[in-house]
Amino acid sequence: RKEVEQDPGPFNVPEGATVAFNCTYSNSASQSFFWYRQDCRKEPKLLMSVYSSGNEDGRFTAQLNRASQYISLLIRDSKLSDSATYLCVVIRTGANNLFFGTGTRLTVIP
Amino acid sequence: SAVISQKPSRDICQRGTSLTIQCQVDSQVTMMFWYRQQPGQSLTLIATANQGSEATYESGFVIDKFPISRPNLTFSTLTVSNMSPEDSSIYLCSVEWGAYGYTFGSGTRLTVV
Repeated sequence: RKEVEQDPGPFNVPEGATVAFNCTYSNSASQSFFWYRQDCRKEPKLLMSVYSSGNEDGRFTAQLNRASQYISLLIRDSKLSDSATYLCVVIRTGANNLFFGTGTRLTVIP
Repeated sequence: SAVISQKPSRDICQRGTSLTIQCQVDSQVTMMFWYRQQPGQSLTLIATANQGSEATYESGFVIDKFPISRPNLTFSTLTVSNMSPEDSSIYLCSVEWGAYGYTFGSGTRLTVV
């Protein structure tokens, strides 16, 4: 089983829509969680960390459910500029590196 | 966050040759990471490079194929040796940067013909 699994999409949504992505992780020892954004032909960039209590940054809300071992990202009022691939990323206790999901591709349509 | 300069940004290489990729960080960092991203796939860790010691390779990656240097706390190189078309990929270096998570270089897009 993969360390991190995501629905690859693609998600095609109209401007202004709300869209949610989920991600599951297999190792209960996972300790840190992130959402990264990767634009086409660019490197991944940190979008936001995911905290146990859930956290919000403008139109973006991240949630963590440790019992079910999943992470979610909610994007409200989608903009054209939100079109990208969103990567779910996990750090496991005892490991120093990131484990990446395959990414969920989002296209926001005018 | 740290700023990483990665070179070259892209290259087209003949099979059987080698390519060395460089990453320069604007701050001293303990660990640097090298990733590969094959077309349509997510990132896979190749190895972790610590200054002053040999790199630690992940399963499926070996030093003879991907030798790594880490001469100081701001610089590292990854060499892709004896290349074949299967090595065509994007290669990225990364460093951990405190609360900002991990920062990536801009990537090297390698095509082997």
